[in-house]
Amino acid sequence: EVQLVQSGAEVKKPGESLKISCKGSGYTFTNYWIGWVRQMPGKGLEWMGIIYPGDSDTRYSPSFQGQVTISADKSISTAYLQWSSLKASDTAMYYCARRLFNSGGYGGMDVWGKGTTVTVSS
Amino acid sequence: EIVMTQSPATLSVSPGERATLSCRASQSVGSNLAWYQQRPGQAPRLLMCGTSTRATGLPARFSGSGSGTEFTLTISSLQSEDFGVYYCQQYSDWPLFTFGPGTTVDIK
Repeated sequence: EVQLVQSGAEVKKPGESLKISCKGSGYTFTNYWIGWVRQMPGKGLEWMGIIYPGDSDTRYSPSFQGQVTISADKSISTAYLQWSSLKASDTAMYYCARRLFNSGGYGGMDVWGKGTTVTVSS
Repeated sequence: EIVMTQSPATLSVSPGERATLSCRASQSVGSNLAWYQQRPGQAPRLLMCGTSTRATGLPARFSGSGSGTEFTLTISSLQSEDFGVYYCQQYSDWPLFTFGPGTTVDIK
């Protein structure tokens, strides 16, 4: 079964660092882009950025450039999203998702993790 | 950045009725448009890619149409499990794949 398994909920204080993970299984991890999506409480989906684990090519939405770091370790089929100094406004659900790629070419995000809740509060 | 808008914000539909959701892009995205459903407490689920290609296992009551800047998702006969929030997403503007704000489908 193709799946993305995300790390568990986090509760942090402002200024702390954090790295959350997304482990792929059931497919060749290095062959598919992995995107990250933020969903703030009661709000819609926001595109953060995307990484190709095969060569770690990473692209960011301008809104998130410099605010987070996306990385991947292909040896363990895991992508990461990290913050060096959290703010209360980072409180949200974060999803990783795989970009569809098949004989028809590239598409939307076809496999999603269940999400990681990040709460930042003093 | 391509801005996506969706209408209506909320749609209340009785079971068995048709639901029509609209999505508009601020500039042409060709056919590079996906639809997702998100039920409360769940991750989004891909419904449609390439404007009109249903995801594996998606019932035929879901159909997508449009191109360029105007898109529609139609649910021909709404079932109780179809409630939730529906998002469109363009993936034409690499690498900034923006989402619409969502349409909430309530079961009347």
